[in-house]
Amino acid sequence: QMQLQESGSRLLKPSETLSLTCAISAGSVSSGAYSWNWIRQPPGKDFEWIGYIYQTGRTSYNPSLKTRVTISADRSKNHFSLSLNSVTAADTAVYYCAGSKVGAALVGWFDPWGQGILATVSS
Amino acid sequence: DIVMTQSPLSLPVTPGEPASISCRSSQSLVYSNGNTYLAWYLQKPGQSPQLLIYFASYRAPGVPDRFSGSGSGTEFTLKISRVEAEDVGVYYCMQGVETPITFGGGTKVDIK
Repeated sequence: QMQLQESGSRLLKPSETLSLTCAISAGSVSSGAYSWNWIRQPPGKDFEWIGYIYQTGRTSYNPSLKTRVTISADRSKNHFSLSLNSVTAADTAVYYCAGSKVGAALVGWFDPWGQGILATVSS
Repeated sequence: DIVMTQSPLSLPVTPGEPASISCRSSQSLVYSNGNTYLAWYLQKPGQSPQLLIYFASYRAPGVPDRFSGSGSGTEFTLKISRVEAEDVGVYYCMQGVETPITFGGGTKVDIK
């Protein structure tokens, strides 16, 4: 059964860059069967889809974050990563990685999800 | 962006009784191939969301058959035929028909 595990920076200061990695087990980041997504949930607020990477190269980002986000993948380590620059307190959230089985669309629904990692931005 | 609106915000339930949650989208969720890209999730306390329903009415593997999804176009419903104590948490709908993917605000289900 495929599992995802987030890791990375948990406490940042304003203007720093958030860097998170999602390790994939029982699956491959270069597989054409899944797109690999990042989603976040600020405390007490709604989920926000950040973006995805597909087959280690094709990406799509939420326009609300597009100027600050990069999603990349590393085949040798079988993981994908999120970089979010110029963070502010508004970027404080639980960040989830998730897979989406590819069909007619590159994103349909998310399954599985990682357990989530809380990233806090504070001066 | 497609706006997803859920109701009610909070739903106290009695074990053994049915429950129903509504989700409305600001535009049709029917993809060009005819599939409806609406999913339902349950987020139990302290856990990440778990997929319940995809394509509006298909139960995910391992999901009990007391959960069912229905609807089309822009109006959708998640029903629990007989609520169990383990069903408490926050339920979310999500559209996958176009990016950016968007979620409903959630419905908190707890036991009366």
